[in-house]
Order: sequence, then C-alpha cells, then structure tokens
Amino acid sequence: AQSVTQLDSQVPVFEEAPVELRCNYSSSVSVYLFWYVQYPNQGLQLLLKYLSGSTLVESINGFEAEFNKSQTSFHLRKPSVHISDTAEYFCAVREGGSEKLVFGKGTKLTVNP
Amino acid sequence: GAGVSQSPSNKVTEKGKDVELRCDPISGHTALYWYRQSLGQGLEFLIYFQGNSAPDKSGLPSDRFSAERTGGSVSTLTIQRTQQEDSAVYLCASSLGTQMNTEAFFGQGTRLTVV
Repeated sequence: AQSVTQLDSQVPVFEEAPVELRCNYSSSVSVYLFWYVQYPNQGLQLLLKYLSGSTLVESINGFEAEFNKSQTSFHLRKPSVHISDTAEYFCAVREGGSEKLVFGKGTKLTVNP
Repeated sequence: GAGVSQSPSNKVTEKGKDVELRCDPISGHTALYWYRQSLGQGLEFLIYFQGNSAPDKSGLPSDRFSAERTGGSVSTLTIQRTQQEDSAVYLCASSLGTQMNTEAFFGQGTRLTVV
C-alpha cells in the first residue's frame, strides 16, 4: 500500500528566502503525485501535480516540484517566498489503477517578515 | 453546484450521540472521498465512492463509522455512539473519477467536537 512521508512538520523561513518542503512516497507501481495547499481558514486546493512526461512541474505562483523516481521523492521548492505563502502544504499520491488518494501529514510553512 | 458543499460547518455533540455529516459534490463528479483531519495527523483517508458503490472503505476507523451515497450525488457519513477521539475536521472531496489524473476538489469541512 502506498504511503507518503513529509519529513518536516513545520518550516519557518524569512521572506524572500528559498524554501524546500520534502515529500517521499512508497509505492511499487506507477504513481501520480500532487501537492495541495491549505491557507489559513480555507479549504484545500491543488497547487501542482505530476502525471507523466517532464519530471519538473510548476505552479502559477512560483512553486515547482520535481519527481525523482529513484529516490521516490517529490519535493516542493520556491526560490523566494512571500508572506502570503504562509500555509500548510500536503503531498499526496495516487497509484496507477487506484482512485485512492493518500496524503502526508502536512508541512506548515510560516514566512516571517 | 459551484463547489463541494459540506454541512453542517460545525457540530458539537455529546459523547455517545450519533451524528450525520453531509457532502454535496460538484455536479457530474462520479468519485467522492471522505477524509479526517486531526491536529498533527494530516489527512486520514476514510472511504471513497465511485458512483454509489464504495470500492475502498479501508480507512473507516471502526464499525461505528459508516457512509453511503445515493443517486451518485449526495453522501452522508454517519458516526454512531461518538467518542471524544472522533473530534476532528471531516473533509469531503470529489473528482471526475474517470481518469487517474483528475484533480480532487475539497469542501470546507465539518468541524466535529465531541464533548
């Protein structure tokens, strides 16, 4: 069965600093990978996803994630964060052939001025 | 509707009482998911529906939890004889469900507090 590990529960950074939120998954089959974001007092929304093709995927607000099959990772990065990026970020995986979407425990990103 | 709608948004109940949580998915979405979000536990998968059937209900914590979906639309999650450890935010999501790569859209959740 697939599982998702987000190694950092909380990540505090200063504004304009780079950030990396780590995500590792375990699965023996092909997978689809997602990052969801939950802003304070809001619902979850999709940030970006990897389905196939290029291993580097980008979101419209400057985040990117790279699928690394050999390391079973899908880390999320942003070169320069804004205070408005403060939120909780969830990595999720869906195995090929299954509709089940499994989430990690989330990483709370706090961007300080 | 425009998005996934969940009701009630907040529910406070006494230990031992039964509760029903409702989810209205996006019109036309065949897949529907229930998750539980507890502090420090992330999103715990409970059950998912494809149409009215539930191919995977492996995440339901105990036999006090049950869910149904009717007409391929509205779903109800029922918790019988609630316990304090059931306190959490219960999230519903829906997706087109016909392709592996379709996005799941989430509702705002129902915050359940068992006192």
